[in-house]
Amino acid sequence: QQQVKQSPQSLIVQKGGISIINCAYENTAFDYFPWYQQFPGKGPALLIAIRPDVSEKKEGRFTISFNKSAKQFSLHIMDSQPGDSATYFCAASTTGNDKIIFGKGTRLHILP
Amino acid sequence: KAGVTQTPRYLIKTRGQQVTLSCSPISGHRSVSWYQQTPGQGLQFLFEYFSETQRNKGNFPGRFSGRQFSNSRSEMNVSTLELGDSALYLCASSGGALASVTDTQYFGPGTRLTVL
Repeated sequence: QQQVKQSPQSLIVQKGGISIINCAYENTAFDYFPWYQQFPGKGPALLIAIRPDVSEKKEGRFTISFNKSAKQFSLHIMDSQPGDSATYFCAASTTGNDKIIFGKGTRLHILP
Repeated sequence: KAGVTQTPRYLIKTRGQQVTLSCSPISGHRSVSWYQQTPGQGLQFLFEYFSETQRNKGNFPGRFSGRQFSNSRSEMNVSTLELGDSALYLCASSGGALASVTDTQYFGPGTRLTVL
């Protein structure tokens, strides 16, 4: 049973546009929601993370929006650049559970 | 500080064989997690070790096993390989005095396993 559903599977955005990736979760015990960025030939790298006590977190051009009642969270990439082209994974975990559940990933391509 | 290293980077095996993959975490990190990444299933958690003890395990058959040494280096072993075991195997380390999975996980580049 997939506990974190991510969409879309792939996304093409023009340079300078906003990239939006959405995730939904089922387990209300999740209390940590990281996003990872993965370039070809590399392992995933933590991009930004949020806990459910806040509705939004911004780091540079990257913003996580979190809707606890809807059990959804999303990643917004403002002013998208060709260097942002990568696969993005949302994830969720529960403190003390020692296991992170990943979404299936979104392949983002930014057109130059 | 050196990152997470995994060896070997590429491996080709045949069905029925067994394989051992190695992971060296970032110096000072005590938690090592293993993941299987495939195009169809994405990133799936295999298991996590902390101070030589397995703290959690994902939903994989017993053919998948692991261990951690006193220096925090970890190995995972897959016995009786099947075609479906072809994947990128990633290890991630995290740590601090109160290491838990919600600490930032730093991933290695992975080992690409191909089973023929």
